[in-house]
Amino acid sequence: AAGVIQSPRHLIKEKRETATLKCYPIPRHDTVYWYQQGPGQDPQFLISFYEKMQSDKGSIPDRFSAQQFSDYHSELNMSSLELGDSALYFCASSLTGIAEAFFGQGTRLTVV
Amino acid sequence: GQQLNQSPQSMFIQEGEDVSMNCTSSSIFNTWLWYKQDPGEGPVLLIALYKAGELTSNGRLTAQFGITRKDSFLNISASIPSDVGIYFCAGRVAGGTSYGKLTFGQGTILTVHP
Repeated sequence: AAGVIQSPRHLIKEKRETATLKCYPIPRHDTVYWYQQGPGQDPQFLISFYEKMQSDKGSIPDRFSAQQFSDYHSELNMSSLELGDSALYFCASSLTGIAEAFFGQGTRLTVV
Repeated sequence: GQQLNQSPQSMFIQEGEDVSMNCTSSSIFNTWLWYKQDPGEGPVLLIALYKAGELTSNGRLTAQFGITRKDSFLNISASIPSDVGIYFCAGRVAGGTSYGKLTFGQGTILTVHP
């Protein structure tokens, strides 16, 4: 069965650079969530989209932005990267009315 | 924001033993999910719970949605070495949408000795 696809799997950027993370949800899923997970931490909610509209916002820095496109894929744009942005970034998708949310394999971002 | 308290933080058990972990909250949840995460990988969904009192099994795993809607537990029976990993509870707070954000517990690190 198709799963959530994230790219790239690994990304190394320098401070003050920008990064774009991509997420392709499970086909027919209409909701996408973005999470950030630091070492030894639980996933922290950043932002979500339902039917291409922002549906919820968590602890996402102003330097980050995200959107969901017409084909339901989503991109997380991160600017002015800081060392503290180094983390695993996960995307998850779900279908309205169904409780399950499925996660991708994540993007490991390292800021040097 | 909503807090999920997950316990225990870690468990060291012998192969074949049963395991129990739980999550509690001061808020009422309308969805409970249990995930397993291996290092550097994404959380994998184990069990989804939809309503208070629901008891659901998935192989050796059993989870329950607490009657008060403020807690959930996960049991693993007859543990095996491949059960090693971090287990997270996650929930959606009541009153929100069916596509609302998931709040995660702090995780339980499970180590199984052969």
